[in-house]
Amino acid sequence: GENVEQHPSTLSVQEGDSAVIKCTYSDSASNYFPWYKQELGKGPQLIIDIRSNVGEKKDQRIAVTLNKTAKHFSLHITETQPEDSAVYFCAASIDSGFQKLVFGTGTRLLVSP
Amino acid sequence: DTGVSQDPRHKITKRGQNVTFRCDPISEHNRLYWYRQTLGQGPEFLTYFQNEAQLEKSRLLSDRFSAERPKGSFSTLEIQRTEQGDSAMYLCASSFITDTQYFGPGTRLTVL
Repeated sequence: GENVEQHPSTLSVQEGDSAVIKCTYSDSASNYFPWYKQELGKGPQLIIDIRSNVGEKKDQRIAVTLNKTAKHFSLHITETQPEDSAVYFCAASIDSGFQKLVFGTGTRLLVSP
Repeated sequence: DTGVSQDPRHKITKRGQNVTFRCDPISEHNRLYWYRQTLGQGPEFLTYFQNEAQLEKSRLLSDRFSAERPKGSFSTLEIQRTEQGDSAMYLCASSFITDTQYFGPGTRLTVL
């Protein structure tokens, strides 16, 4: 089955810096890669996703890149703000039939003012 | 609020007791998923419904766990004879066909 590895487990940056979180997946059939943000006591919230027919997707300060050959994808947050502090999870799934998401272990991002 | 809702938000129970959680998906979402999340880990898939049919179950879902989705609307997850290892956050998500999964706030279960 699919296995998703995520690094780093913790990331501390200063406000205004960029943050990059990386994930690798094992199943070459995976074709859907969402990123979720989870704040304390809340459920995961989708922030951006990408499908395998696209190499990069951007939404304001957030971007995701996908390298299908190397089987890895990354989340880039620019101009970080203290409210970006949270745990971020990557996930992968095969987007056919049903969509069972396999999650990474999470990255705790701390943005200091 | 038209998001996914879950009830209760917190449940404390003694080992051996039965518990039931409820999930109300976003209206018109025909797919409903249950995940379990333990401390410091990402969510793990438990089971999935398309309308009222339960189509997939994880190996994580032991015989003590049962889920239903009568009439294809809300869903319930029951755990019988709870064990301390069942302590976790139980998350529900819904989607329309293969679109984005939207998660609820979760039910945190503590088994004493």
